[in-house]
Amino acid sequence: GENVGLHLPTLSVQEGDNSIINCAYSNSASDYFIWYKQESGKGPQFIIDIRSNMDKRQGQRVTVLLNKTVKHLSLQIAATQPGDSAVYFCAENNAGGTSYGKLTFGQGTILTVHP
Amino acid sequence: KAGVTQTPRYLIKTRGQQVTLSCSPISGHRSVSWYQQTPGQGLQFLFEYFSETQRNKGNFPGRFSGRQFSNSRSEMNVSTLELGDSALYLCASSWGQGDGETQYFGPGTRLLVL
Repeated sequence: GENVGLHLPTLSVQEGDNSIINCAYSNSASDYFIWYKQESGKGPQFIIDIRSNMDKRQGQRVTVLLNKTVKHLSLQIAATQPGDSAVYFCAENNAGGTSYGKLTFGQGTILTVHP
Repeated sequence: KAGVTQTPRYLIKTRGQQVTLSCSPISGHRSVSWYQQTPGQGLQFLFEYFSETQRNKGNFPGRFSGRQFSNSRSEMNVSTLELGDSALYLCASSWGQGDGETQYFGPGTRLLVL
């Protein structure tokens, strides 16, 4: 895969379990955050986003939590399925600045779901 | 609605050559951003184009360049290829109306430099 050289964090869960993937972001001025899922041989796929004026947002089977005090983001996946196996990236953007179109990505976490 | 498309999907070049990659954004999207993904550095921002103008640029050498056409399609060019340019090159599109917009990615072009 594209991220083997980075020694990515890994998370291994059983099908049906809940998964929590964590991310520490770098820029305290960032105010828009996105979680992406990347399967082997594919581009990153949008999962969910959150703005800095929120601390929680829910989607279908996914929840994102934002803690600006410690610059921490987490993605919770409920009832994890084998199809959720992928590399998950958090990305940040400073929407209030001049970083147009520039996302800064975390290193990624490899999620493996066992049937 | 069709997603972001990139051509070619795979490319093999030799050192010293140049390469041009193409990206067609989602219909209606006017912003195109390019990223390089490698095992060693992860996903890194190259540049972003909006209305045929480069609006932001990452920390890559001048060998990396791009452009955008009036139909929002974008190309990026890498001249004098080096072995370290081997990577997955991803483009992403968004409306471009402001920051804090979701970017939607294409499948990428995998470039191998020999």
